[in-house]
Amino acid sequence: NAGVTQTPKFQVLKTGQSMTLQCAQDMNHEYMSWYRQDPGMGLRLIHYSVGAGITDQGEVPNGYNVSRSTTEDFPLRLLSAAPSQTSVYFCASSGSSGANVLTFGAGSRLTVL
Amino acid sequence: AQSVTQLDSQVPVFEEAPVELRCNYSSSVSVYLFWYVQYPNQGLQLLLKYLSGSTLVESINGFEAEFNKSQTSFHLRKPSVHISDTAEYFCAVTLTGNQFYFGTGTSLTVIP
Repeated sequence: NAGVTQTPKFQVLKTGQSMTLQCAQDMNHEYMSWYRQDPGMGLRLIHYSVGAGITDQGEVPNGYNVSRSTTEDFPLRLLSAAPSQTSVYFCASSGSSGANVLTFGAGSRLTVL
Repeated sequence: AQSVTQLDSQVPVFEEAPVELRCNYSSSVSVYLFWYVQYPNQGLQLLLKYLSGSTLVESINGFEAEFNKSQTSFHLRKPSVHISDTAEYFCAVTLTGNQFYFGTGTSLTVIP
């Protein structure tokens, strides 16, 4: 199994550009989420989804959109990138039952100039 | 909302020495507690978890953590560290399994 796959691994954007970070999991997990990791701030939850068609906001949702049309995919969209969105982004998933252990992707490093 | 405090941002320790990484959480209700480890340029991996039952939980590579409800702590310990333990360690808490709250991380550096 591939687990959680994130693309791209690296991306450089100019202020105002848009882009989508892709996340896919092949474990039939109901729960999927996006975090950003910044130095000295740990991981902060951006958006999450408890199933196809259901999304909700986390701690830092402003500037980001998500959708969940299938169980497998949970893309994160930046409509108008800002330098404050320079960060490392992680997608994570977990099953709806049991231990709620998160399985993380390898991360996507985004730089906004 | 829950919050997690990791008191030490950096912990240097000599190889084969013991180490303790501290984690305190704030919640008035029962929560699930986790320790994740992040090796350089990788995603986070589960190290160990406390869901219920025994307050002492162990990982396969010699780490252990003890849930202390009265002190709202979940400190991570290892009696003898190895060079390969050098990594960033994150404590996390969740109430429902939908929203996880992470600490700011502790960078463990094992010195040869």
